[in-house]
Amino acid sequence: AQSVTQLDSQVPVFEEAPVELRCNYSSSVSVYLFWYVQYPNQGLQLLLKYLSGSTLVKGINGFEAEFNKSQTSFHLRKPSVHISDTAEYFCAVTSILTGGGNKLTFGTGTQLKVEL
Amino acid sequence: DVKVTQSSRYLVKRTGEKVFLECVQDMDHENMFWYRQDPGLGLRLIYFSYDVKMKEKGDIPEGYSVSREKKERFSLILESASTNQTSMYLCASSSLGQGWDTEAFFGQGTRLTVV
Repeated sequence: AQSVTQLDSQVPVFEEAPVELRCNYSSSVSVYLFWYVQYPNQGLQLLLKYLSGSTLVKGINGFEAEFNKSQTSFHLRKPSVHISDTAEYFCAVTSILTGGGNKLTFGTGTQLKVEL
Repeated sequence: DVKVTQSSRYLVKRTGEKVFLECVQDMDHENMFWYRQDPGLGLRLIYFSYDVKMKEKGDIPEGYSVSREKKERFSLILESASTNQTSMYLCASSSLGQGWDTEAFFGQGTRLTVV
């Protein structure tokens, strides 16, 4: 079975400060990892994804994430946040099932609140 | 522009009613998913499907069923709605790839209230 853990339910940070949102996963098969963002009253959109290759992945809006297989982590970082980054962030994992299909599982989300 | 469309944005139903939530995608994706989103609980997978007439239970399938008669359409059914099924329901689709195209695309959600 696969699962995703986001340990921080809320992360307050001042504008222009760096931020890290943590994500750990567990899976018995090869996985693909994603971060999605949900702005207030909007749908989910893809921020970045790790499929293979370089473990440092760059996404939209200056975000990046690093895949660490030994620690089963995929933490999201931004060196300097902006007030417009206030949103809920979801880590997700996709497993390719042997019987067919992809199972996409999400974490519980981290609410990032950027303050002036 | 890729699109996942959910039939209703807001829905109010009475306890015990049979409820259908419809989702249509225009990307010829094999995978389709139904989630419910609740504050503090994130997105929880109810059911998913990777082919017509195929369905797999997610993490919280109790009280729900699904139907996939056509590739582009995935329906979520609440056989007898209860107040604890009041939630935001999200549909998503993705292709059955092993690379870049495993990204999931989401509908705008249906906010269901059961009274």
